[in-house]
Amino acid sequence: NIVLTQSPATLSVTPGESVSLSCRASQSISTSIHWYQQKSNESPRLLIKYASQSISGIPSRFSGSGSGTDFTLSINRVESEDFSIYYCQQSYSSLLTFGSGTKLEIK
Amino acid sequence: QVQLKESGPGLVQPSQTLSLTCTVSGFSLTSYNVHWVRQPPGKGLEWMGRMRYNGDTSYNSALKSRLSISRDTSKNQVFLKMNSLQTDDTGTYYCTRDRPGGFAYWGQGTLVTVSS
Repeated sequence: NIVLTQSPATLSVTPGESVSLSCRASQSISTSIHWYQQKSNESPRLLIKYASQSISGIPSRFSGSGSGTDFTLSINRVESEDFSIYYCQQSYSSLLTFGSGTKLEIK
Repeated sequence: QVQLKESGPGLVQPSQTLSLTCTVSGFSLTSYNVHWVRQPPGKGLEWMGRMRYNGDTSYNSALKSRLSISRDTSKNQVFLKMNSLQTDDTGTYYCTRDRPGGFAYWGQGTLVTVSS
């Protein structure tokens, strides 16, 4: 199975700061990575597909980059509604896997 | 619009079998894949398996021996059955539909507690 390692586990920031969340794959997966946001007691929401492709209805402050094994989700000027958990997920292998998540919390 | 809704028992006894139903609307099961994803309380997401549009199935290797996914296209339903449940199978179970790239549509989730 392809293992996705997300870092850091927790990121404490002040609203208005810009942040980068990392997801590293155990083998090259081209750009077959997708990012989700999950707020407490809610279903996950797709933010970015195929590493960098935007999703309709998602604020433009969310962007993604990377290819191969290293991927980044960036949030430009974090807003209060962004404090939640973020997961990456790969679809390179037919056996799908998620990363363990990064919790974005208010400093 | 696309909707998915999970249903099933909230409480299952240890060693028993879990049966969940995902009822979908707004799309055809013969055109899109439907997946099951679960989440233990306070923990991350785990992909369990998929029902492909053509009727094929794939399973998480860690669950494969206990898990079965099937469907009834006439009723727009996808079913999950998992046997030999233990307490660490407690969690929220989601059905979700993929698109070319990621899981764009999710059900609300159903909480399953394994306890005697």
